[in-house]
Amino acid sequence: DAGVIQSPRHEVTEMGQEVTLRCKPISGHNSLFWYRQTMMRGLELLIYFNNNVPIDDSGMPEDRFSAKMPNASFSTLKIQPSEPRDSAVYFCASRSFDRAGTQYFGPGTRLTVL
Amino acid sequence: AQSVTQLDSQVPVFEEAPVELRCNYSSSVSVYLFWYVQYPNQGLQLLLKYLSGSTLVKGINGFEAEFNKSQTSFHLRKPSVHISDTAEYFCAVIRNYGGSQGKLNFGKGTKLSVKP
Repeated sequence: DAGVIQSPRHEVTEMGQEVTLRCKPISGHNSLFWYRQTMMRGLELLIYFNNNVPIDDSGMPEDRFSAKMPNASFSTLKIQPSEPRDSAVYFCASRSFDRAGTQYFGPGTRLTVL
Repeated sequence: AQSVTQLDSQVPVFEEAPVELRCNYSSSVSVYLFWYVQYPNQGLQLLLKYLSGSTLVKGINGFEAEFNKSQTSFHLRKPSVHISDTAEYFCAVIRNYGGSQGKLNFGKGTKLSVKP
């Protein structure tokens, strides 16, 4: 299995630009999670999906952030417009219901907003 | 809701010394417990997990953890650490629904620094 795939691995953009992060979960997994990690705030859960349906988006910082999961094998996290304070590493993780909560993380996307 | 407290933000230790990383959880219901490790510039990787049964759980790279229900703890231990164990370690908890449809609650992490 290829594991959780995220793209791009690095993104540098200018303030005000739209940013789209992509994630392909492990095949057969039912849940998908988006996290953000910074030195100041640590690891934060932004949103998660069960069977492609958003369950909890309380961690999404503001309306500039949106996430979609159009099918079981793809999800996007979009920031529009981006701001310097959005600079962070964004992780995607997936999980199967029968794996007793074990989440498998992707390698992350390092976002820098100038 | 379930929560986790990692009592030490940083733990420096010399190579070949033993180490214990502390984790306490809070929950009124049955839970699953996890330790994840994050090496520099990488994603999180599962180290070990407690679901049920034996309270002593063995994981990868020689780590083990003991579930203590009376003390609501799940401390991580290794008898002899290596330089390569330098990483950040996260404790996490999730409610045991009989399946897993909720979200993991992570602690703030403990940075283990192994010195020669």
